[in-house]
Amino acid sequence: GQQVMQIPQYQHVQEGEDFTTYCNSSTTLSNIQWYKQRPGGHPVFLIQLVKSGEVKKQKRLTFQFGEAKKNSSLHITATQTTDVGTYFCAVRDNYGQNFVFGPGTRLSVLP
Amino acid sequence: ETGVTQTPRHLVMGMTNKKSLKCEQHLGHNAMYWYKQSAKKPLELMFVYSLEERVENNSVPSRFSPECPNSSHLFLHLHTLQPEDSALYLCASSQGRFGETQYFGPGTRLLVL
Repeated sequence: GQQVMQIPQYQHVQEGEDFTTYCNSSTTLSNIQWYKQRPGGHPVFLIQLVKSGEVKKQKRLTFQFGEAKKNSSLHITATQTTDVGTYFCAVRDNYGQNFVFGPGTRLSVLP
Repeated sequence: ETGVTQTPRHLVMGMTNKKSLKCEQHLGHNAMYWYKQSAKKPLELMFVYSLEERVENNSVPSRFSPECPNSSHLFLHLHTLQPEDSALYLCASSQGRFGETQYFGPGTRLLVL
């Protein structure tokens, strides 16, 4: 089945520091989505990447799709306490139908 | 966010009980999903419905029984559950079923005693 890994599993940063999480797939992807889940909350869609090498920005968040379309990264500049949560990537499965979610990276931000 | 609602938000049940989880979406979407999220596992897709027909069943035990009476409502009927079924059950919807953006409900936190 589709293999999706995310690293790191956990990340603790001081407020103001940068943060990056990586999503890696065993196969070439058609697209990739990123979701954020706050503690006690539910996953909320952040963005979708489709093109090889694509870079998209949302304020302090920068999303990148690898040139080979096998990996992606989410970078947060100058983290804030509101960034706390688990960040999931989701990739379309081998049959091109449903999305498979990665295990997530849990971010803690110390004030 | 009230696009996808779920009831109840919390549920405690014994192993011999029968209960149902309800999900309703107000987004006009055609696909709905049930996911299970437990502490040590990633989001697990349980069921997918598209235009009220079940199109995916990822080898979920028969003690979980879904029902989709129309495109806006989705139920998950529970009976004779096990303690390891305790988890957060999330409902989601999307415009189509082919991997489009999914909108999640707040979830039902289930504890099986």
